[in-house]
Amino acid sequence: AQSVAQPEDQVNVAEGNPLTVKCTYSVSGNPYLFWYVQYPNRGLQFLLKYITGDNLVKGSYGFEAEFNKSQTSFHLKKPSALVSDSALYFCAVRVSSASKIIFGSGTRLSIRP
Amino acid sequence: GAVVSQHPSWVICKSGTSVKIECRSLDFQATTMFWYRQFPKQSLMLMATSNEGSKATYEQGVEKDKFLINHASLTLSTLTVTSAHPEDSSFYICSAEAGGPYNEQFFGPGTRLTVL
Repeated sequence: AQSVAQPEDQVNVAEGNPLTVKCTYSVSGNPYLFWYVQYPNRGLQFLLKYITGDNLVKGSYGFEAEFNKSQTSFHLKKPSALVSDSALYFCAVRVSSASKIIFGSGTRLSIRP
Repeated sequence: GAVVSQHPSWVICKSGTSVKIECRSLDFQATTMFWYRQFPKQSLMLMATSNEGSKATYEQGVEKDKFLINHASLTLSTLTVTSAHPEDSSFYICSAEAGGPYNEQFFGPGTRLTVL
């Protein structure tokens, strides 16, 4: 069965510092990997995805993620955090275009001024 | 990009009443839509897969008689919470598949249901 893990419930970073939100996955096949962001009482906003091609994926708002097949990871990164990046971040995986999306438990990112 | 809307964005109802939530794909057709439920500070849990013109497929543990899903057209799916109770209070999010080679899903803004 496919699964995705976000080992950190919360990540705290000072504004201007680099940030990393961790995600590992387990699938029996080639994964489709996603990152979404959710602000309070709002739906999910798409940040970026990896399906095929370059392992380093660039997305919205300056975020990027690197697909690492050997470590089965897809960590989300940003070189310089903003206070406005504070939100709940979800990593998600699906095995094919026909399978359902499985979400991680979410990581709350808090950026202090 | 593809846009999915939900209506209403929030609703408060009395225990025992039924509530209908609409999910629309505004600029694309979606043969498949999904309904998720999210409790505070928790992840999204898939409730059911809604297929246009056919019965929905419910995840294990989701009461199909409690959560009625109708996908009557390629741009509209509805979720009706029947005889709602306080434990049904939650954030309900829908998504729609846009087709194409990767069949991307686009998410609605969510509906906050509070049952008194």
